[in-house]
Amino acid sequence: AQTVTQSQPEMSVQEAETVTLSCTYDTSESDYYLFWYKQPPSRQMILVIRQEAYKQQNATENRFSVNFQKAAKSFSLKISDSQLGDAAMYFCAYRSPPGGTSYGKLTFGQGTILTVHP
Amino acid sequence: DTGVSQDPRHKITKRGQNVTFRCDPISEHNRLYWYRQTLGQGPEFLTYFQNEAQLEKSRLLSDRFSAERPKGSFSTLEIQRTEQGDSAMYLCASSSHRDGGFWTQYFGPGTRLLVL
Repeated sequence: AQTVTQSQPEMSVQEAETVTLSCTYDTSESDYYLFWYKQPPSRQMILVIRQEAYKQQNATENRFSVNFQKAAKSFSLKISDSQLGDAAMYFCAYRSPPGGTSYGKLTFGQGTILTVHP
Repeated sequence: DTGVSQDPRHKITKRGQNVTFRCDPISEHNRLYWYRQTLGQGPEFLTYFQNEAQLEKSRLLSDRFSAERPKGSFSTLEIQRTEQGDSAMYLCASSSHRDGGFWTQYFGPGTRLLVL
């Protein structure tokens, strides 16, 4: 079974600075999908960014980008120019490809709480 | 598009009672998922549907849990004979095949259950 590990329970950053959240995963599958979700306090989970494993180019979405290292099974999230509204719990998630053992579901990491200081 | 909606948002019940939650997915999304999230943890998969068919169930989904999606639209999750350990946030998500293979899951606000 696939596992996702987020080794940083908490991170903090100054407003306008850059922060990187780490995520590693374990899988024997060669193709898969990776996601970062953000869950603000008492609010619903929203998608931040996503990546297909067979695409070597790192995904970017405005201030958010990933560093995808397939051989190392690492999928870190970089937030540039941090804003107060970025404060939230961030979850890394894995999904199998069609026919994979966990094709339908997302497997989540434990989450990283990000605090943004003004 | 309206987002995924869930009802109720909060539910307090006594141990042993039955509870039912409803999820309305994004229109035209053919997959619907249920997850459970305890405080400070990542969501854990419970089950998912493609249209009306329930395609996968987690071992977390004990005999006391049942989910349905009778017409391939909304879904219900019922917990019978609730236990204090069932206290959690129950999240619903939906996804579409028209998403370049990603089947990105969009989440609802959740139903927070407290069993006394």
